[in-house]
Amino acid sequence: DQQVKQNSPSLSVQEGRISILNCDYTNSMFDYFLWYKKYPAEGPTFLISISSIKDKNEDGRFTVFLNKSAKHLSLHIVPSQPGDSAVYFCAASVRYSSASKIIFGSGTRLSIRP
Amino acid sequence: DAGITQSPRHKVTETGTPVTLRCHQTENHRYMYWYRQDPGHGLRLIHYSYGVKDTDKGEVSDGYSVSRSKTEDFLLTLESATSSQTSVYFCAISESGGTSYEQYFGPGTRLTVT
Repeated sequence: DQQVKQNSPSLSVQEGRISILNCDYTNSMFDYFLWYKKYPAEGPTFLISISSIKDKNEDGRFTVFLNKSAKHLSLHIVPSQPGDSAVYFCAASVRYSSASKIIFGSGTRLSIRP
Repeated sequence: DAGITQSPRHKVTETGTPVTLRCHQTENHRYMYWYRQDPGHGLRLIHYSYGVKDTDKGEVSDGYSVSRSKTEDFLLTLESATSSQTSVYFCAISESGGTSYEQYFGPGTRLTVT
């Protein structure tokens, strides 16, 4: 039962254009959403997060949008650069017993072409 | 980058043998986590620790045990490795157990059980 879903396993975007990565979730109790970026042979790196009480958070070229009614969030990267080529994981942070845990989607591989 | 190292980085072992993976941090963070990453599943929580000698199970804890005798080290042990435990294992740390706190990940350990 995947609570966080990334339905596009891959995405190819031209350098300089906007990259839009999408994510859907099923649990309305999630209170924080995050995006992680992962290069091969490295661990995931935190990129940006958004609280469930917000609908937008921006950090430089990265903006995350949250639509709670649709249980949907998206990550916009503008402009896309070659170094953005990586796997992007959508995730939700939830309370779990004595800590919190992160529930990850299955990832979207973003390729930026020249 | 958060100071997290994992050892070994790669290991091949035979079915039935015990295996211990080590996570070491230099950030003095209280919370430490072990996840595994498998194709199509994103990352899933195995065990976590909320302090020295304080550990608890995650969602895929069967066949694994953990120990934390000091703040900086969190060990994951496969008591008797099986082929289903072939995976990439990531350690993560967090300053707090709250959902608004990011988790920072180590570089991963690729384990192959033959």
